[in-house]
Amino acid sequence: DVKVTQSSRYLVKRTGEKVFLECVQDMDHENMFWYRQDPGLGLRLIYFSYDVKMKEKGDIPEGYSVSREKKERFSLILESASTNQTSMYLCAGGQGASYGYTFGSGTRLTVV
Amino acid sequence: QKEVEQDPGPLSVPEGAIVSLNCTYSNSAFQYFMWYRQYSRKGPELLMYTYSSGNKEDGRFTAQVDKSSKYISLFIRDSQPSDSATYLCAMSPNNAGNMLTFGGGTRLMVKP
Repeated sequence: DVKVTQSSRYLVKRTGEKVFLECVQDMDHENMFWYRQDPGLGLRLIYFSYDVKMKEKGDIPEGYSVSREKKERFSLILESASTNQTSMYLCAGGQGASYGYTFGSGTRLTVV
Repeated sequence: QKEVEQDPGPLSVPEGAIVSLNCTYSNSAFQYFMWYRQYSRKGPELLMYTYSSGNKEDGRFTAQVDKSSKYISLFIRDSQPSDSATYLCAMSPNNAGNMLTFGGGTRLMVKP
């Protein structure tokens, strides 16, 4: 069974901290994504990557960066965490829309 | 107006009922359609995906796409309490993941 694993389920960080969210997939898929999910706003794409060292901005990239040094790992970085980045963060991977995408269990981040 | 509209619910039904979940959309370019199920505090889980118009059946679940009406549906037969979750529709105009647009989700409660 294919898996996308996010390293932390819950995180509490202070304003101004640099935060790393890690995601690993075991599917050998080129495409990986980072979303955030907020009540009333649904899922919004932050960044995606279609290959190692390749990245593209999604709909809401401000305040975030990403790193993809290996095919299986896609990291989301909050350069200087702010309270408005408190959210559920979801990583996903897949071959394409025709196959659907597999999501991780999510990281609930609280910035205080 | 959002590109993909989904009634947030909650939708409450008795066990054994047939459930109909729906999404409407405005972008006629959408070709790939997906349904995800999300349990509380978990990541979305892919239920079904379809390409273009038509029906697709998988066990108790049937997905329908009516592109002429810009309307998609997910039917759940013989609903169970374990089906209680939020159901998200998602759609894309192409196979690339960066164009995936989600509905806000419908919360379903199946009462024993």
